[in-house]
Amino acid sequence: QITLKESGPTLVKPTQTLTLTCTFSGFSLSTTGVGVGWIRQPPGKALEWLALIYWDDDKPYSPSLKSRLTITKDTSKNQVVLTMTNMDPVDTATYYCAHTEQLKNYAFDIWGQGTMVTVSS
Amino acid sequence: QSVLTQPPSASGTPGQRVTISCSGSSSNIGSQTVNWYQQLPETAPTLLIHSNNQRPSGVPDRFSGSKSGTSASLAISGLQSEDEADYYCAAWDDSLKGWVFGGGTKLTVL
Repeated sequence: QITLKESGPTLVKPTQTLTLTCTFSGFSLSTTGVGVGWIRQPPGKALEWLALIYWDDDKPYSPSLKSRLTITKDTSKNQVVLTMTNMDPVDTATYYCAHTEQLKNYAFDIWGQGTMVTVSS
Repeated sequence: QSVLTQPPSASGTPGQRVTISCSGSSSNIGSQTVNWYQQLPETAPTLLIHSNNQRPSGVPDRFSGSKSGTSASLAISGLQSEDEADYYCAAWDDSLKGWVFGGGTKLTVL
């Protein structure tokens, strides 16, 4: 059974750096064809894809946020970490991590519960 | 402004069939497969349809997906009250080199 859980601060100040951790079980990020992505959703708004990391360490980023994002994986700990620099109140959102695999054409098939991050001074 | 365009709302009565459209371009829907996600109130999204028309295990066959050219559709037949949710389409965009989502459609069961 695949599960994912996001963790990190619930409140960050403007200009600070946000670090979110996705801890997962039920699969390995060293398995060919597997990946973990991050998607966010501002309150009352649509989903927005942020970044993705594959088993082979390929790391596509959202073009509009690429300069602020870094995604890394720790295969031994079954964790994926997303950092976002220079946080702004418009970055207030629920942040989700999700599993993806080649068998489903890399659709996000299993999602974490999400973690709400508020950006405010 | 989302890259993929969905109607903001849709509605139907129990038992009816409703469809939700998703319009894109040659760099996304026109050249890649489409996925659909369901988001029940106050919950995380779940995968409803992948690869245009494939249902993951556990998804009722009342849900179906299709694609033609640069547009895709999600159909829900035999509408039930528990189908009241937000629905999002998504596809990989070859130009942006990333995933793009629709703006979401809020489905109301009257």
